[in-house]
Amino acid sequence: EVQLVESGGGLVKPGGSLRLSCAASGFTFSNTGMSWVRQVSGKGLEWVGRIRSTTGGGTTDYAGPLKGRVTISRDDSKNTLNLQMNSLKTEDTAVYYCTTVGGELPWTWGQGTLVTVSS
Amino acid sequence: QSALTQPPSASGSPGQSVTISCTGTSSDVGGYNYVSWYQQYPGRAPKLMIYEVSKRPSGVPDRFSGSKSGNTASLTVSGLQAEDEADYYCSSYTGTNNLGVFGGGTKLTVL
Repeated sequence: EVQLVESGGGLVKPGGSLRLSCAASGFTFSNTGMSWVRQVSGKGLEWVGRIRSTTGGGTTDYAGPLKGRVTISRDDSKNTLNLQMNSLKTEDTAVYYCTTVGGELPWTWGQGTLVTVSS
Repeated sequence: QSALTQPPSASGSPGQSVTISCTGTSSDVGGYNYVSWYQQYPGRAPKLMIYEVSKRPSGVPDRFSGSKSGNTASLTVSGLQAEDEADYYCSSYTGTNNLGVFGGGTKLTVL
């Protein structure tokens, strides 16, 4: 069974940094593209970015609003996906989901981790 | 403002069929056969219901079907059941940023 478990969320001050992780199991992680999607409470879904499979080159793409402030990385030896977020703003407050990617779009979703940016 | 346009709400009685639309442009929905639909219950993570316009992942009831015409994709839920009451989001790949875009979501109410 595919499982994705996010961790690392919490309260951070504006301008601060946070690193989220996603532990993956139940599939061949290195062969699978992964992504981060976020959701502000009561609002819709928004892409953060994605990283292709290592076999697919491991390249990254980021959504416009977050480009330059986030970095997605993967550690295939630990089956872990990471999201480093810097210069956080109050509007970055959201639940952040880790997903597998299939057919270019999110497939399986983790349960999400809440990031709150507030002074 | 979401890149894909969905109606904010839809409703139907048990047993009826409901169709939710998702309108984009030739740069996303109209240009690729990578359209997915997700179901989300309050406080829960989204779940994939349809991928590549009309394909169903294993375990998704065949009451859920997807289609596309031009720049508009659609999700049809046939034989509505109370458990279908949820938010539904569409997503499409876009060549603009090599990612995807989401619709704003549609709250489906089973009357």
